[in-house]
Amino acid sequence: NAGVTQTPKFRVLKTGQSMTLLCAQDMNHEYMYWYRQDPGMGLRLIHYSVGEGTTAKGEVPDGYNVSRLKKQNFLLGLESAAPSQTSVYFCASRKGTSGYQETQYFGPGTRLLVL
Amino acid sequence: DQQVKQNSPSLSVQEGRISILNCDYTNSMFDYFLWYKKYPAEGPTFLISISSIKDKNEDGRFTVFLNKSAKHLSLHIVPSQPGDSAVYFCAASVKIQGAQKLVFGQGTRLTINP
Repeated sequence: NAGVTQTPKFRVLKTGQSMTLLCAQDMNHEYMYWYRQDPGMGLRLIHYSVGEGTTAKGEVPDGYNVSRLKKQNFLLGLESAAPSQTSVYFCASRKGTSGYQETQYFGPGTRLLVL
Repeated sequence: DQQVKQNSPSLSVQEGRISILNCDYTNSMFDYFLWYKKYPAEGPTFLISISSIKDKNEDGRFTVFLNKSAKHLSLHIVPSQPGDSAVYFCAASVKIQGAQKLVFGQGTRLTINP
């Protein structure tokens, strides 16, 4: 099991460019999440999905879109990147079958720099 | 509004001694608490958790204590080892709109000195 993987590991964008971050999990988990981590602020939830074909907004959704067309994949899109989106992005997943007190498992992160 | 706070950005401990990391929260609806450990350039890895119906959970060298009346959580590592040097995040879970939401603290960087 690879667990949760993220592509790419690092990317540099110019302001206004678009990109998609890919998250994949091979654990057959129902729930998937996208977070961003900024210095001194911990991890903040951007969007999440409770199952294939569903998405919902988290704490800081502005400027991002997501899609969950396949159960194993959760895509995070930036349509027009801004310097404020410079951050480290983490994807996470959890089973979703054992109630709400479950562990979320994280990917290795994508470091994004917007110039 | 920081619902989960780790007030110590860093902590330095001698190898073999006890490390105590603290976390405070404000939302009484939180019902599950987790500690994650993070090395540089890696994702957070799950360490230990505790349900709000308990006040202690132990796993090897790691023990988490929950004081609901004080809304305070702590992680004890004993004995501390050099490999424990990392950033530790506490997280609190609440059910919102049918889904689990984790709220993270800012993290505490733990350094274990040989």
